[in-house]
This record gives sequence, C-alpha cells and structure tokens, in this order.
Amino acid sequence: GQQLNQSPQSMFIQEGEDVSMNCTSSSIFNTWLWYKQDPGEGPVLLIALYKAGELTSNGRLTAQFGITRKDSFLNISASIPSDVGIYFCAGLMMIKAAGNKLTFGGGTRVLVKP
Amino acid sequence: DGGITQSPKYLFRKEGQNVTLSCEQNLNHDAMYWYRQDPGQGLRLIYYSQIVNDFQKGDIAEGYSVSREKKESFPLTVTSAQKNPTAFYLCASSIQDGNTIYFGEGSWLTVV
Repeated sequence: GQQLNQSPQSMFIQEGEDVSMNCTSSSIFNTWLWYKQDPGEGPVLLIALYKAGELTSNGRLTAQFGITRKDSFLNISASIPSDVGIYFCAGLMMIKAAGNKLTFGGGTRVLVKP
Repeated sequence: DGGITQSPKYLFRKEGQNVTLSCEQNLNHDAMYWYRQDPGQGLRLIYYSQIVNDFQKGDIAEGYSVSREKKESFPLTVTSAQKNPTAFYLCASSIQDGNTIYFGEGSWLTVV
C-alpha cells in the first residue's frame, strides 16, 4: 500500500520546548489527520485537516495541510511531560464505492530528555 | 458512554487455533475498520466495511476473516493461516464517506 514518510522517528523533549514533526507523501490526500497514541491504547484524534493550506490549532497543537496536499506538519508548543507518546500522521483518501482509505505514517516517538 | 469497545483487551492463542476479536460501536457509524500494529510500527489495514453485509480486504487481509451482520458489530477472526498473529489489533469506525476515523482501545493478541 501507500506509505507516508514521517519524521523524525523519535525525539527528546525538555519541558517548555516546542516540538515539530512532519509527514510527506508521493500521493495526494483529501484529509490529513494527526493522532496521539499512549502505550497499549488506541490512537486518539488530535487534529483533522480538510483543505489544502488549512492551518488549525487545538490548544498547544498546531497543524497544517500542505498546499500541494502531499504533506502536513504538527507543532506542539511549550511541551509538558504528558506530551510524551507516539504521534501518527494519517492521510485519508475517500474513494467512492470503496470507502475511506487511511494510510499511516510510521510515527514519531516523543520522549523526555533524561 | 458512546464509543468503540474492543474485547478482550488481552488474548492468548495457541498455535493452530482460530480466535475472534470483538468490536462494537454505538456511534451509529456506517463504516468500520480493522488495523494491525506491530511494536514500534504504524498501522496497517486488514479489512474494512462500509455497510452491513459488505466488506473489503485491506492491505494485509491474508489469514484474517470478518463479518458484518449488524451495523454496530465488526468481529475479526484471526485464523490459523495467519503465521505471525502476535500484534496489537485496533478497530475503528467512521460515518460513511466521513473524513474522520475514530479508534477503539485495542486488543493484544499473543501466540503461546
């Protein structure tokens, strides 16, 4: 299937720092979704982006749908310890008669600096 | 509470056995999905269903089977043909043609 390239694969944060991660694809998507997953739990939707160029915020989170529809980024400002987890981007392609197909990036693991 | 309920949370399977993971949603969503997640990896689509009595294979359907007899239920059977079934399984749902997909809390399957 299609692949999304998500980077970085992992990163260490110190409380108060800003965090950025992004996803790129060779395919165009109708929607970009960003999820956070805690260990042993299902992904929780953070932000959904529906239009090219759209910039959306949810508290300390900001995400943008790239103008080419092939990329998206997520920023976390002033990180706190509970921001630790795995963040996934997902591109959604709605295909008539075949349903929605969601393709996931490989995840960005956010860890706390020792 | 509205949401997607997966059970059991933890399941152990002996080699050669079929096991079934349950997924129930009370969100009145038309579409339901099953994903597999291996440690440190992203999610891969196993099967999905847009409406009752209809479902399609995803990217890694071999060794799995599903049914969709009721709108709110989409059970996944991991058959003995699945050679490497140990993984975290996630069920999800959305409205038909919806552009937001919500996940259950997942089920861990381990082969012993």
